Amino acid sequence: GENVEQHPSTLSVQEGDSAVIKCTYSDSASNYFPWYKQELGKRPQLIIDIRSNVGEKKDQRIAVTLNKTAKHFSLHITETQPEDSAVYFCAASMGGGADGLTFGKGTHLIIQP
Amino acid sequence: DAGITQSPRYKITETGRQVTLMCHQTWSHSYMFWYRQDLGHGLRLIYYSAAADITDKGEVPDGYVVSRSKTENFPLTLESATRSQTSVYFCASSGTGVREQYFGPGTRLTVT
Repeated sequence: GENVEQHPSTLSVQEGDSAVIKCTYSDSASNYFPWYKQELGKRPQLIIDIRSNVGEKKDQRIAVTLNKTAKHFSLHITETQPEDSAVYFCAASMGGGADGLTFGKGTHLIIQP
Repeated sequence: DAGITQSPRYKITETGRQVTLMCHQTWSHSYMFWYRQDLGHGLRLIYYSAAADITDKGEVPDGYVVSRSKTENFPLTLESATRSQTSVYFCASSGTGVREQYFGPGTRLTVT
């Protein structure tokens, strides 16, 4: 089955700086790559996703890039703010999400004031 | 999101007991999923369903049973709970052709 590796497990950045979280996946058949944000005690919420036919997608301060050849994708957050502090999960799916998601183990992002 | 709910939100049970976690969504989404979340493991897929009466195993199905007689409900049953099933359980749903999964608020289950 699919395996998703996520790095780093903890990332501390100064407020206003950029943060980058990286994930690799094992199955070249994966075609859907969402990113979820989870605040303490809350449910995961989708922040951005990308399909395998797209190399990059941006939504305000958040962007995701996908390299199918290398089988890795990354989350970029610019101009970080205190409310960006949370755990971020990458995920991959071979069925466009219909067969469930395989998640990375998460990155705890800490924004230092 | 009020559209997907889980009950109970917290549950303490003893080893060997049967326990059922409920999930209900009001969007008429075709797809529903159960995940468990444990420290150090992220979220792992237990079972999923593409429609009523259609279910499939995920990554960690052992010890769990699901059913889906109605589109809006997807209960998860632990037939004989074990301490290793202590976890936070999330239900999620997504519509046909729409890949975003919407998660419920979660159920924190403790098996003593």
